[in-house]
Amino acid sequence: SQTIHQWPATLVQPVGSPLSLECTVEGTSNPNLYWYRQAAGRGLQLLFYSVGIGQISSEVPQNLSASRPQDRQFILSSKKLLLSDSGFYLCAWVRVRLAVYNEQFFGPGTRLTVL
Amino acid sequence: GENVEQHPSTLSVQEGDSAVIKCTYSDSASNYFPWYKQELGKGPQLIIDIRSNVGEKKDQRIAVTLNKTAKHFSLHITETQPEDSAVYFCAAQRGTNAGKSTFGDGTTLTVKP
Repeated sequence: SQTIHQWPATLVQPVGSPLSLECTVEGTSNPNLYWYRQAAGRGLQLLFYSVGIGQISSEVPQNLSASRPQDRQFILSSKKLLLSDSGFYLCAWVRVRLAVYNEQFFGPGTRLTVL
Repeated sequence: GENVEQHPSTLSVQEGDSAVIKCTYSDSASNYFPWYKQELGKGPQLIIDIRSNVGEKKDQRIAVTLNKTAKHFSLHITETQPEDSAVYFCAAQRGTNAGKSTFGDGTTLTVKP
C-alpha cells in the first residue's frame, strides 16, 4: 500500500529564517506531487506541483520554492520566511494512469508558525 | 481557470439527521469530483468521488449527486453521528490537467449528540 510522510509535524520559526519541509511517498513510482497551503479556516491553495524529477510548476507567485530531487521526494523551501507564510502545509500525490481520473491522497501536514 | 463554490460554510445538525453540502463549478470540462473529510490537525481524506459519466454514487451513509447541466454536485450524509463532525471539502478536476484539483472553501459540519 501507499504511504505519504511529511516532516516536521509542527514548526515555529522566526521571521527571516530559512525553511525546509519534506514530503516522501512510499509504495508507488513516478507519482505527481503537490504542495498546498491551508490558512486557518480556509480552503486549500495549490502552491506547486511536479510531474517528475526536477520538474516544478508554480501556481502562485510567492516567497517559497519547491524541488524534487528524487522520484518520491518533494521539498518546500524558503530563504527568508515572512509572517504571511504561516499556515498548514499539505503534500499530496496522484498516481498517474492512462485513465483521466486521478485520486489525490494527502499527507498528515506540517503546521508552520512564523513569529 | 476553474472556480469551485461550496455552501454552506458551517452546518450544525442533530445526531441522526441528514446533512447536505453543495458545490458548484465553472469549468464544463471538469470530469472528476472528489469529496474530502478533514479532521482537526490532519490532512484531508478522500471519502467519496464521482465521475462525470455518473449521476449518483452511494457508499453506506454517504452519497454524492452530480448535475452536469447545472454544474453542481452535492454530498449527502444520512443518519449523522458525532464522528462525522469535521470539515468537508469538495473539489473539481479536469482529467488533462496534471491531476490538479480546485477545492471549495470547506464546510464545517457539527453533529450534536
